[in-house]
Amino acid sequence: NAGVTQTPKFRILKIGQSMTLQCAQDMNHNYMYWYRQDPGMGLKLIYYSVGAGITDKGEVPNGYNVSRSTTEDFPLRLELAAPSQTSVYFCASSYAGTGDTNYGYTFGSGTRLTVV
Amino acid sequence: EDQVTQSPEALRLQEGESSSLNCSYTVSGLRGLFWYRQDPGKGPEFLFTLYSAGEEKEKERLKATLTKKESFLHITAPKPEDSATYLCAVQGNTNAGKSTFGDGTTLTVKP
Repeated sequence: NAGVTQTPKFRILKIGQSMTLQCAQDMNHNYMYWYRQDPGMGLKLIYYSVGAGITDKGEVPNGYNVSRSTTEDFPLRLELAAPSQTSVYFCASSYAGTGDTNYGYTFGSGTRLTVV
Repeated sequence: EDQVTQSPEALRLQEGESSSLNCSYTVSGLRGLFWYRQDPGKGPEFLFTLYSAGEEKEKERLKATLTKKESFLHITAPKPEDSATYLCAVQGNTNAGKSTFGDGTTLTVKP
């Protein structure tokens, strides 16, 4: 049981380049999320998905795009990279049911991105 | 808008010296309050979910408590391996499983 797998672990991009951060989970979780974490700060929500084919913006979506064609995969696309996107990116998943069956997130190990 | 404030930002303890971390929150209808542990260079690891005021959860040397405005993470007789950043997060009833995180408390336990 791998949990949440993120690739790559590290990446350096030049300004204006694009890339896709991959995220896959094998727990059959319905909800998936992308967060970024700047040094010494908490996690800021970029995008989230409540199921295959459904995505929505979080707190800081500008400069990013997502898709969710399957339950397992939730890639994050960076278009025209900027230095402000230098951060650590975490993908997470959860099972969110009704009532009290709302569990905490399972996080991936993160992608450390530097834009130069 | 949901908000989470954690204090202190950093806490240094001697091994065996018990203390508490604070998480103050505002949310429109609490669905759950979560505590996570994050080690350097790794993703956060889920510790507890608390759903209603008065609830308590325990795991080894950690105990989390919840009131209507704040949560405490009590650490009893900590060991150096408890050193980590502890994150608090809340979910409201209307925000589709989205969590709002605090900035965390970095705990260092010296032997």
